Amino acid sequence: DGGITQSPKYLFRKEGQNVTLSCEQNLNHDAMYWYRQDPGQGLRLIYYSQIVNDFQKGDIAEGYSVSREKKESFPLTVTSAQKNPTAFYLCASKKTTGSGNTIYFGEGSWLTVV
Amino acid sequence: AQKITQTQPGMFVQEKEAVTLDCTYDTSDPSYGLFWYKQPSSGEMIFLIYQGSYDQQNATEGRYSLNFQKARKSANLVISASQLGDSAMYFCAMGSLQGGSEKLVFGKGMKLTVNP
Repeated sequence: DGGITQSPKYLFRKEGQNVTLSCEQNLNHDAMYWYRQDPGQGLRLIYYSQIVNDFQKGDIAEGYSVSREKKESFPLTVTSAQKNPTAFYLCASKKTTGSGNTIYFGEGSWLTVV
Repeated sequence: AQKITQTQPGMFVQEKEAVTLDCTYDTSDPSYGLFWYKQPSSGEMIFLIYQGSYDQQNATEGRYSLNFQKARKSANLVISASQLGDSAMYFCAMGSLQGGSEKLVFGKGMKLTVNP
């Protein structure tokens, strides 16, 4: 089935460590996004990418990095520079050609700093 | 800048009744899209309905309809015949085209509880 796969579902990180969250989609979508959600809050955009080898900062990019080497993959690295990384992370993708106007989300990854 | 406002922190509705979830927005872009997503306790974001700013008719998807009032900058979600499975967080979002890119801005959400 087509969809967006995020892994791992749950991740624990020690302070000072970098961790990478995986996001893979087989929907042939051009654009991909990473959002952060804190408890009781809406989603905030971290990074987004419209095409391979190109990405832009969102509203809260500090302490995060991404890459887009393949159309299907958009991994997010939470670096040690991110001061408060404990949150729920959602990856999304969107088809930017044709009539597609819907952004679809993965099931999310819970990151906890211990 | 784009902004989405959802002022209802939570609502309760009886099963089989209709409910309206409020959403107002602010943008200077002439072309934009409005979305509603449902987030159950499992965390996944489920797309419900989309309304384009130039669409003449209000969007409908099954039991969901979007009451789009462009002049008032509101995009309320109406759920008809509520079901117990509708209990979840609901988020209103707006996508605008900025310099050829597209970002989706979310409201803070509201919690809907459907009572039997």
